[in-house]
Amino acid sequence: AQTVTQSQPEMSVQEAETVTLSCTYDTSENNYYLFWYKQPPSRQMILVIRQEAYKQQNATENRFSVNFQKAAKSFSLKISDSQLGDTAMYFCAFSWQGGSEKLVFGKGTKLTVNP
Amino acid sequence: SAVISQKPSRDICQRGTSLTIQCQVDSQVTMMFWYRQQPGQSLTLIATANQGSEATYESGFVIDKFPISRPNLTFSTLTVSNMSPEDSSIYLCSVVGIQETQYFGPGTRLLVL
Repeated sequence: AQTVTQSQPEMSVQEAETVTLSCTYDTSENNYYLFWYKQPPSRQMILVIRQEAYKQQNATENRFSVNFQKAAKSFSLKISDSQLGDTAMYFCAFSWQGGSEKLVFGKGTKLTVNP
Repeated sequence: SAVISQKPSRDICQRGTSLTIQCQVDSQVTMMFWYRQQPGQSLTLIATANQGSEATYESGFVIDKFPISRPNLTFSTLTVSNMSPEDSSIYLCSVVGIQETQYFGPGTRLLVL
C-alpha cells in the first residue's frame, strides 16, 4: 500500500523568506502523480501544485516549486517570498492514476508565516 | 476548475440521528469522491460515488453507516447514519477536474453531541 510521510508537523517562516516542506512516499508503481494541497483555517482544500512522475522537470507555480527526487521518493515543496496568506496546513498527496483514483494524504505540516 | 458547493456548511447533531450532506458541482463530472477529516487529522477516502451504480467503499467504511447517492453527473449526497461523537469530522466531496486533478468542496463541519 502506498504511504505518504510528512515529517514536519509544524514549521514557521518570516514573511518574504523561503521555506521548504518535506514529503516522502512509498510505492512500487513507476507512474503516479504527486500533489501539494493547502488548507487554510477556512478549511477549503486548495490545490497548490501537481507533478507527474514520468516528468523529470520539477513543477512550478509562481512562488511555489517542487523538488521531485524519484529515486529517493521525495517530493518537497518550496515556497519563495512567503506571504501571510500562505499560513495554512499543507498536505502532500499521492495518486497512482492522476485524480481519477483516491488520493493518499500525508498527515500535514502546519505552516505559520510571521510578519 | 469546477465550482463545488456543499450543504450544510456545518451542523451540530445529537447522537443516534442521521445527517445528509449534499455536494453540487456546476458542471458534469465523471468522478466524485467523499473524504473524512477527523479533528487534527489528514483526509481519508470514504468512498467513490458512482453515477448509476452503488458507491465503492474503502476498507473500514460501510454502506449502512455512510449511504451515498449519485443520481446524476453534478450531484451527490453522503448520509452519516446513527451518529456518535466519533463521527465528528469535516466531510469533503471532491471531483476530478482539469488535468486529472481532484478539486475539493468547502467541506461540512459536523459536531455530534
